[in-house]
Amino acid sequence: GENVEQHPSTLSVQEGDSAVIKCTYSDSASNYFPWYKQELGKRPQLIIDIRSNVGEKKDQRIAVTLNKTAKHFSLHITETQPEDSAVYFCAASSGSNAGNMLTFGGGTRLMVKP
Amino acid sequence: GAVVSQHPSWVICKSGTSVKIECRSLDFQATTMFWYRQFPKQSLMLMATSNEGSKATYEQGVEKDKFLINHASLTLSTLTVTSAHPEDSSFYICSARAAWGLGQFFGPGTRLTVL
Repeated sequence: GENVEQHPSTLSVQEGDSAVIKCTYSDSASNYFPWYKQELGKRPQLIIDIRSNVGEKKDQRIAVTLNKTAKHFSLHITETQPEDSAVYFCAASSGSNAGNMLTFGGGTRLMVKP
Repeated sequence: GAVVSQHPSWVICKSGTSVKIECRSLDFQATTMFWYRQFPKQSLMLMATSNEGSKATYEQGVEKDKFLINHASLTLSTLTVTSAHPEDSSFYICSARAAWGLGQFFGPGTRLTVL
């Protein structure tokens, strides 16, 4: 089955700096890669996603890049703000999986210091 | 759009009792619903996948007789933790996938504490 590795597990940045979180996946059939933000005690919120036919996608301060050959994808947050502090999860899914189940990475705790 | 509700948001029960958690897609029909368990400071672990009108598919290591899943309609799935024990205490989160896409939308979660 799919295995998703996520690094780093914790990341501390100064407000205004950029943050990068990286994930690798094992199943070459995976074709959908969402990123979720989870604040303490709350539900994961989808912040951006990318499909395998696209190499990069951007939404304001958030961007995701995908390298299918290397089987890794990354989340980039620019001009970080204290409210960006949360746990971020990457995930991978194959359209061929029953129900399109997601396999999650271990999470990255991002702390943005004012 | 794509709102998922979950009830109850938290529950405390005695060891040996059963607890039912409901997951509803409020403004869309969910072809598939997923149940996850999340321990403190850990990632989401998929427990089972359920499709409306059919039996749930459980992940390896998840006891289907202990975690009963019913997906009676396109907007409702229930998870019943039977004969709950303290080790079942966790944050249970459901998600729903709409027919139009691959994304999953998560419910707010249910914090279960078994005494």
